Amino acid sequence: DTAVSQTPKYLVTQMGNDKSIKCEQNLGHDTMYWYKQDSKKFLKIMFSYNNKELIINETVPNRFSPKSPDKAHLNLHINSLELGDSAVYFCASSQGGGNTEAFFGQGTRLTVV
Amino acid sequence: QQQVKQSPQSLIVQKGGISIINCAYENTAFDYFPWYQQFPGKGPALLIAIRPDVSEKKEGRFTISFNKSAKQFSLHIMDSQPGDSATYFCAATVSGSARQLTFGSGTQLTVLP
Repeated sequence: DTAVSQTPKYLVTQMGNDKSIKCEQNLGHDTMYWYKQDSKKFLKIMFSYNNKELIINETVPNRFSPKSPDKAHLNLHINSLELGDSAVYFCASSQGGGNTEAFFGQGTRLTVV
Repeated sequence: QQQVKQSPQSLIVQKGGISIINCAYENTAFDYFPWYQQFPGKGPALLIAIRPDVSEKKEGRFTISFNKSAKQFSLHIMDSQPGDSATYFCAATVSGSARQLTFGSGTQLTVLP
């Protein structure tokens, strides 16, 4: 069973559209994250979320919003997509407290045309 | 502002050689330093991690050396193998309820057969 799964794996869409990426983890972790990996492979945190707090990276445009229907899911909604949003988006999860491993999904390659 | 600086950007090593990747951090509140390995088309996966109360940690062919006073840490891969060819990221985080990883810029390692 996949620990952290994302769908879709590839997403091609036009500028101005609204899209969502889904993420599910079956590890029982209490914290989930979204990271963005740009064309130079640089990984940057976008959001971290548990049932107590949402931490938003201040550089993330408000067109991006996380939605968590339950503890095992953290979806990423993106409004009014722009060319610069093209990147690979990774979902991850970890268990809060102590130094535990963050598990990453396989990524969603978003291409905005 | 990049809080974790990683070098070199790319590294080519002969099979059986030693690969060394260096990282430096700025935030003295960081208390957990993992290294992640990423293969093409996959998400990052934890390789090895260290806390600042130890100066070295070894797991198989992989060793982290940590210098708290210099705020530097490095990954050594002994007896490098072609299968080690991947992108390596150092990272750092502060323990807490939502432990976001701050990543270095990545090192593309190529091990020649």
